[in-house]
Amino acid sequence: EIVMTQSPATLSVSPGERATLSCRASQSVRSNLAWYQQKPGQGPRLLIYGASTRATGIPARFSGSGSGTEFTLTISSLQSEDFAVYYCQQYNNWPRTFGQGTKVEIK
Amino acid sequence: EVQLVESGGGLVQPGGSLRLSCAASGFTFSNYAMSWVRQAPGKGLEWVSTIIGSGDDTYSADSVKGRFTISRDNSKNTLYLQMNSLRAEDTAVYYCAKSDTVTTTFLTNWGQGTLVTVSS
Repeated sequence: EIVMTQSPATLSVSPGERATLSCRASQSVRSNLAWYQQKPGQGPRLLIYGASTRATGIPARFSGSGSGTEFTLTISSLQSEDFAVYYCQQYNNWPRTFGQGTKVEIK
Repeated sequence: EVQLVESGGGLVQPGGSLRLSCAASGFTFSNYAMSWVRQAPGKGLEWVSTIIGSGDDTYSADSVKGRFTISRDNSKNTLYLQMNSLRAEDTAVYYCAKSDTVTTTFLTNWGQGTLVTVSS
């Protein structure tokens, strides 16, 4: 099983600042990596797939990069609606696995 | 607009059974793989099971293999999860999610979830 490790667990950021979230895979997943955003009481929302492609309707302030085992999600200028929990997920191998999540909170 | 509406959750005793349903609309259901993902209270996401568009192939996490069965009825645009021999650690919100393709890749749309509580 591929273990996905996200860091940090919690990120405190002021509105308007940049947020950088990391995701590491225990073995290569090529570019088969997705990022999701989850707000309290809601189902997750797809942000990024293929490590760097924004999903439909996702603002340009969200960007993804990386391949193999190291990935990054960057939110260039945090808006109030971006404070949430973010998960990475690999879809290269079975079983599909998620990182434990990074909570982005208001500083 | 894609809509996924889960139902069937509730309180069940350890060892009991429950069947979850997910009603899908807004897309051609049989053209997409579908999955169940769960989230224990206060915890992260855990993939549970996936079924391809035709229903011919399924994949399941080791933690539920032999106890949970994913299935679909493409004539009714509905996804199911039959859960048997339930344990306390199966307590979670269960989400239905749509894949990007007929086989399986990432999850493009998610429902709001249905809560399953396993307790005596």
